[in-house]
Amino acid sequence: GQNIDQPTEMTATEGAIVQINCTYQTSGFNGLFWYQQHAGEAPTFLSYNVLDGLEEKGRFSSFLSRSKGYSYLLLKELQMKDSASYLCAVQDSNYQLIWGAGTKLIIKP
Amino acid sequence: GAVVSQHPSWVICKSGTSVKIECRSLDFQATTMFWYRQFPKQSLMLMATSNEGSKATYEQGVEKDKFLINHASLTLSTLTVTSAHPEDSSFYICSARDPGQAVETGELFFGEGSRLTVL
Repeated sequence: GQNIDQPTEMTATEGAIVQINCTYQTSGFNGLFWYQQHAGEAPTFLSYNVLDGLEEKGRFSSFLSRSKGYSYLLLKELQMKDSASYLCAVQDSNYQLIWGAGTKLIIKP
Repeated sequence: GAVVSQHPSWVICKSGTSVKIECRSLDFQATTMFWYRQFPKQSLMLMATSNEGSKATYEQGVEKDKFLINHASLTLSTLTVTSAHPEDSSFYICSARDPGQAVETGELFFGEGSRLTVL
């Protein structure tokens, strides 16, 4: 079956760095997305990785290792507004998105 | 980026009634829209893929007679929850891809979501 695993909840301190991991097992792979979702709101796009390596975009970076079925989202210089759920989603061989349950990130002052 | 608008944001209805949720692409034409449902602290679950001018494709386990989807134009898809019951209470979200991007790399643009509460 298809499966996306990510931690349920993480806590970090304002100004610090946090890494949110995602492992996946899917029927085929056509890219991995990270989305941010604030409580009660729809998800917003953060990043897309299809090749191995690190993609950097401002304070956020995303890494992919296809051989390991592994990705992480790295958030630097954490701000209180970064408190949200972070969703990992993999596009399978049919270009269907398989969603993880999301990681709730709590930022403390 | 592309804009997807969803209405209403909140709806409360009595058990047994029907509720219609609209999803519009405001600045692009979407031949395909996706309807998701999300229960508290759970992942997004794809309910169906809405195809303009043809029947929607429903995911396994989703009752097509209960969740009616109509995609009559390139900018509007509707989801009607018929004979709603309390267990249908959930957060319903629509989304579409930017047609200007390749399917392979196209990010999904989401509507604001509609929170349905069935009493």
